[in-house]
Amino acid sequence: GAGVSQSPSNKVTEKGKDVELRCDPISGHTALYWYRQSLGQGLEFLIYFQGNSAPDKSGLPSDRFSAERTGGSVSTLTIQRTQQEDSAVYLCASSLDGGQTYEQYFGPGTRLTVT
Amino acid sequence: AQKVTQAQTEISVVEKEDVTLDCVYETRDTTYYLFWYKQPPSGELVFLIRRNSFDEQNEISGRYSWNFQKSTSSFNFTITASQVVDSAVYFCALRGNTGTASKLTFGTGTRLQVTL
Repeated sequence: GAGVSQSPSNKVTEKGKDVELRCDPISGHTALYWYRQSLGQGLEFLIYFQGNSAPDKSGLPSDRFSAERTGGSVSTLTIQRTQQEDSAVYLCASSLDGGQTYEQYFGPGTRLTVT
Repeated sequence: AQKVTQAQTEISVVEKEDVTLDCVYETRDTTYYLFWYKQPPSGELVFLIRRNSFDEQNEISGRYSWNFQKSTSSFNFTITASQVVDSAVYFCALRGNTGTASKLTFGTGTRLQVTL
C-alpha cells in the first residue's frame, strides 16, 4: 500500500522567503507528526496532530513555523521568512493513532536549503 | 525530561561479522516504549521494532536481535552475520506516557558501515 508521501522532495529558497511543505499520511492514520533532521540537532520533534487538532506543538522552534492539517489527512508545514538555520530535512510521519503503542511510519522527507 | 544516548557515532565491520549497537535511555515515566529505526542512504526512516517497558523479553527477527534491560536502561540491537545492505544509520527512540506523549525522542544515531 501507499506509504507517507511528502512534497517537494527538495526545495531551495532564498533567505526571507516563505515555504510550504506538504505531507500526505498513510490512508486511515489519524495521527501525524513533523520532525526535523539537521546535522547539528539530530532528529527533533516539531508538532503532532491527532485528527485536525494539534495537542503538541512544543517542538516548533519559533513563531515563524506553523502547521495545519485539514480533513484529517494532508498536512502543510509553513516556514515564514526563512533563515539559513532552517536548512534541514523535514520528515513527516503518521501512525494509526496517537497512542503509545502505535509505531510511526516516516515519509522520504523534504530537503530544505535556505541560501 | 527524556533522553536517548547512542554513544557509538560510527561503526565499521567486515561482512559476516556480528555487530551490536548500543542504546541507553532516561525517562521518569513508568510506562514507555522503545523503538529502533533504520535510515539507509535513500534517507527514509524504516521502522524495525517496538518494545514495551513492561516486557523485557528479548526478541529475535532473522539476523536481528534486541536486548532490553531495564536495570541498566539499555535497549541494544545486534545484527548477526552483517551484510553490506545493513549499511545505514540506526536510530534508537523513546516514547513516554505523560502529557501528550506521542512524540518520539531520538538518539543521535549510529552509522554502520559494512564492507566486503
